[in-house]
Amino acid sequence: DTGVSQDPRHKITKRGQNVTFRCDPISEHNRLYWYRQTLGQGPEFLTYFQNEAQLEKSRLLSDRFSAERPKGSFSTLEIQRTEQGDSAMYLCASSSTGTPPNYGYTFGSGTRLTVV
Amino acid sequence: GQQVMQIPQYQHVQEGEDFTTYCNSSTTLSNIQWYKQRPGGHPVFLIQLVKSGEVKKQKRLTFQFGEAKKNSSLHITATQTTDVGTYFCAGPGSGGSNYKLTFGKGTLLTVNP
Repeated sequence: DTGVSQDPRHKITKRGQNVTFRCDPISEHNRLYWYRQTLGQGPEFLTYFQNEAQLEKSRLLSDRFSAERPKGSFSTLEIQRTEQGDSAMYLCASSSTGTPPNYGYTFGSGTRLTVV
Repeated sequence: GQQVMQIPQYQHVQEGEDFTTYCNSSTTLSNIQWYKQRPGGHPVFLIQLVKSGEVKKQKRLTFQFGEAKKNSSLHITATQTTDVGTYFCAGPGSGGSNYKLTFGKGTLLTVNP
């Protein structure tokens, strides 16, 4: 297993278009997270899954954002009607539940979205 | 909601000098984690601290978790150019989940060779 994979690495889209990103977590990890990061800021939580269940979604996330994790494997993050303010790096991470608990995340390389 | 504050925001050092970044949480944390992000890269997990007063070392890096479990520090001895990057601390968000993290804004370390 080579870690967390994200696709695409870069996406340039026109304002108003829809975009979808994919994340493939580490196969043994049952938790998957989406974060957004802008320049000079730390990663900001968007949503997370345990297996296929979406357990929490940030209140900062508008209805234009939706995420899925069918069958508890890969996940997709869709942004509808993109706005310039959506331009950011979208990071996916995964983690496992084990004994002793290790809460650390493994991040993917991210998808950099530019809305023009 | 929970806030995680880091200082300083930036630190520039000469190679060989020491470096410390500090992290403070508005709430008591069950654990705290540190990540490093190289320029143009993604955050990479360094360590997690769980116990009150815990101190862990990784070569030239020393991590501490405060007695009250509300603050933490990362100290690098004799910095090298490979230490360049942004160091983030992160703690579990409010609501009881130990797995959803709130990140600080990070400390950007630059090292002059």
